[in-house]
Amino acid sequence: GAGVSQSPSNKVTEKGKDVELRCDPISGHTALYWYRQSLGQGLEFLIYFQGNSAPDKSGLPSDRFSAERTGGSVSTLTIQRTQQEDSAVYLCASSLGGTRNEQFFGPGTRLTVL
Amino acid sequence: AQSVTQLGSHVSVSEGALVLLRCNYSSSVPPYLFWYVQYPNQGLQLLLKYTTGATLVKGINGFEAEFKKSETSFHLTKPSAHMSDAAEYFCAVSARGDMRFGAGTRLTVKP
Repeated sequence: GAGVSQSPSNKVTEKGKDVELRCDPISGHTALYWYRQSLGQGLEFLIYFQGNSAPDKSGLPSDRFSAERTGGSVSTLTIQRTQQEDSAVYLCASSLGGTRNEQFFGPGTRLTVL
Repeated sequence: AQSVTQLGSHVSVSEGALVLLRCNYSSSVPPYLFWYVQYPNQGLQLLLKYTTGATLVKGINGFEAEFKKSETSFHLTKPSAHMSDAAEYFCAVSARGDMRFGAGTRLTVKP
């Protein structure tokens, strides 16, 4: 595709349920990132995949959060036992990797936990 | 580890006035620095970036930023604000492949 795509665009769930958020990066991009954007909180780094290397999970806020990237392309962010404080926009970005290449962002998934 | 501090969560200027959005970084290795913009109800897009070479970097829509190593700063400026510049601006630093963003500065432009 032409850009990074994310699905669903909106997700409303009940507290305690599990959710899966999907990201399709730009073809050929080896690096993939997940961020969380809460109102007035800026972008919070969650996890970073680079090629076949072990992901940098240092930003995941709790063990309820996990992510995987299958075949070096599509990624899924899973939140187990969702809490109301998980409500936010979850952004995915991809890049060619390395430190100097810009990230291209998807439109985000707005998650609302009731 | 690298980090970014954006001074001022909200900046308001009059149309035609100078825009100055402040960003200071911390990095243990030479950093690459970026400014992203997020217009209302849109995704983030790159405004400009500093990698190596010239320390004054020009971006889209008349914005520019200057990398000052001695001050660990990468402030964003535009000589004359436009109503269409109203958006949220994020400074970011990349040092080892990952990227860390500041909390963002919301720019309001008054007519």
